[in-house]
Amino acid sequence: DTAVSQTPKYLVTQMGNDKSIKCEQNLGHDTMYWYKQDSKKFLKIMFSYNNKELIINETVPNRFSPKSPDKAHLNLHINSLELGDSAVYFCASSQELGSLAGGMTQYFGPGTRLLVL
Amino acid sequence: AQSVTQPDIHITVSEGASLELRCNYSYGATPYLFWYVQSPGQGLQLLLKYFSGDTLVQGIKGFEAEFKRSQSSFNLRKPSVHWSDAAEYFCAVLSGGYNKLIFGAGTRLAVHP
Repeated sequence: DTAVSQTPKYLVTQMGNDKSIKCEQNLGHDTMYWYKQDSKKFLKIMFSYNNKELIINETVPNRFSPKSPDKAHLNLHINSLELGDSAVYFCASSQELGSLAGGMTQYFGPGTRLLVL
Repeated sequence: AQSVTQPDIHITVSEGASLELRCNYSYGATPYLFWYVQSPGQGLQLLLKYFSGDTLVQGIKGFEAEFKRSQSSFNLRKPSVHWSDAAEYFCAVLSGGYNKLIFGAGTRLAVHP
């Protein structure tokens, strides 16, 4: 049973296209996240949703729009893709915002490797 | 601002040797600290975490880490490395009320037979 899953695993596309990455968690968690890992392996948070409400938006370009249809899903839509968007995008989830410490542990999906040509 | 420093970009050890990966953090309050491992082409797997209590925490795969407040460190150790431990290791601190993880730059571990 996969706890946090992402689709697709690989995504190769042309500059200027629009693409979406989907994330689902079956852990019953309330909070979900998107992180970006660049070519130097550096990881940085992009967004966080708690109970379908956006709570973190880390100065990400407007071309990136997250959407959470329900607590178990957090999708990432990217418009007008640029070369610099090539990266690995990780989805994560944690039990509950502001909960006891154990509930703040984040569990990560396998990543989506995006290559923009 | 909170930050995490992993001073070693790349470490090579022989199989069976002991391992210590360094992590220093900058955080005003009591930190919540994590170590994650990323195998080639894979996602991030949680190795262990520190929230409070015993400063020596045990994790999966035989790893342990020690929290030292006086040194602002949370170093990861393993007494005997296996070839399958070759991976990228990330130290992270939980920042603020919104559960934002701040990651270090990572340490790439290579294991020689």
